[in-house]
Amino acid sequence: GESVGLHLPTLSVQEGDNSIINCAYSNSASDYFIWYKQESGKGPQFIIDIRSNMDKRQGQRVTVLLNKTVKHLSLQIAATQPGDSAVYFCAENFGGTSYGKLTFGQGTILTVHP
Amino acid sequence: GAGVSQSPSNKVTEKGKDVELRCDPISGHTALYWYRQSLGQGLEFLIYFQGNSAPDKSGLPSDRFSAERTGGSVSTLTIQRTQQEDSAVYLCASSLGGQPGANVLTFGAGSRLTVL
Repeated sequence: GESVGLHLPTLSVQEGDNSIINCAYSNSASDYFIWYKQESGKGPQFIIDIRSNMDKRQGQRVTVLLNKTVKHLSLQIAATQPGDSAVYFCAENFGGTSYGKLTFGQGTILTVHP
Repeated sequence: GAGVSQSPSNKVTEKGKDVELRCDPISGHTALYWYRQSLGQGLEFLIYFQGNSAPDKSGLPSDRFSAERTGGSVSTLTIQRTQQEDSAVYLCASSLGGQPGANVLTFGAGSRLTVL
């Protein structure tokens, strides 16, 4: 999983650059993965999801890549904007009865400089 | 309302007191979840309600924690005899339920609990 401890990984980029946020997930049986964005004082907001039978999925300005061999998930944000500054969480689901019962990583802080 | 509503937004209590946190899910969402987020940490699953089925309580950390969902809508998370380690943001989410794609969670802004 993501780094353990009180210090979250951080990523600083310039406005207009592309950002890549990485996540190592824990369970090889997980079959559903999601990225969430959390701004200060708000609840997490859904960005994009992917099922384990896919290795890539694209949304608006975002792409999620899944590498099941090494249990790695990444979120790519194109043309990053200051409004993208937030904490980004990956989450995995082990399947079963609920696809909303998720295990979250600890998050990565993205800071976008104008 | 248009989103998931939680109250109170902030709660400060003394160790040993009981607290109740409320969640109003999005109308029509059959699935409701409670998560906990400690300072600088990711979210930790607590409990899940789906329709009239028995709730999945597998994430509740102790028997001091309980939750109800009345009439398939509003939910209350109760923490009895609060301890300092219960201090966290408690997040509620709801979804349409079912398969991925129809089960995207919409989170509320959370209730920040501080136990002195």
